[in-house]
Amino acid sequence: DVKVTQSSRYLVKRTGEKVFLECVQDMDHENMFWYRQDPGLGLRLIYFSYDVKMKEKGDIPEGYSVSREKKERFSLILESASTNQTSMYLCASRDRDSHYGYTFGSGTRLTVV
Amino acid sequence: AQKVTQAQTEISVVEKEDVTLDCVYETRDTTYYLFWYKQPPSGELVFLIRRNSFDEQNEISGRYSWNFQKSTSSFNFTITASQVVDSAVYFCALSEGWDGNKLVFGAGTILRVKS
Repeated sequence: DVKVTQSSRYLVKRTGEKVFLECVQDMDHENMFWYRQDPGLGLRLIYFSYDVKMKEKGDIPEGYSVSREKKERFSLILESASTNQTSMYLCASRDRDSHYGYTFGSGTRLTVV
Repeated sequence: AQKVTQAQTEISVVEKEDVTLDCVYETRDTTYYLFWYKQPPSGELVFLIRRNSFDEQNEISGRYSWNFQKSTSSFNFTITASQVVDSAVYFCALSEGWDGNKLVFGAGTILRVKS
């Protein structure tokens, strides 16, 4: 069964901390994505990567960075966490040559206090 | 710019009722893809359907059906004879172009099915 695994289901961090959210996929997909989900706003794209060491900004990249050193792993980094980054974060992957649905992880609910 | 609107924030129905979730989209591309996803309480988004802009045929899968109308830029989703297990958040999404790399989501519709 193909999978996208997010390392933590729940995280609580303090304001100003550097936070790493990890995502691993086992489907050999080229494309990987980070979204945040907020009530009433749906899912908004933060960053995506179409290959190792490649990245592109999504709609709301401010305050975030990403790292893709290996094909299977895509990390989202909050350089200095703030309370307005409290949210659900969802990782997804997709085969570049497929237009079928993305495969999503179960999400990481991050609370910044 | 691409945009997806799901005007219904929350819908409550009684089991066995039919329910339609609305989705209206905006895009300047002639080639695009539309999706529906289900997010149950567990949190993981589950892919339901993909439709490309050149295929306006309606689709039925069991109790689920989708109505795609380019003339009104809508891609509505109907659940027939709803069940409690259908309770979830449903998202409509759009990706432009053949590459389809960027998926834009609507705000989602919370569906509550009561027994």
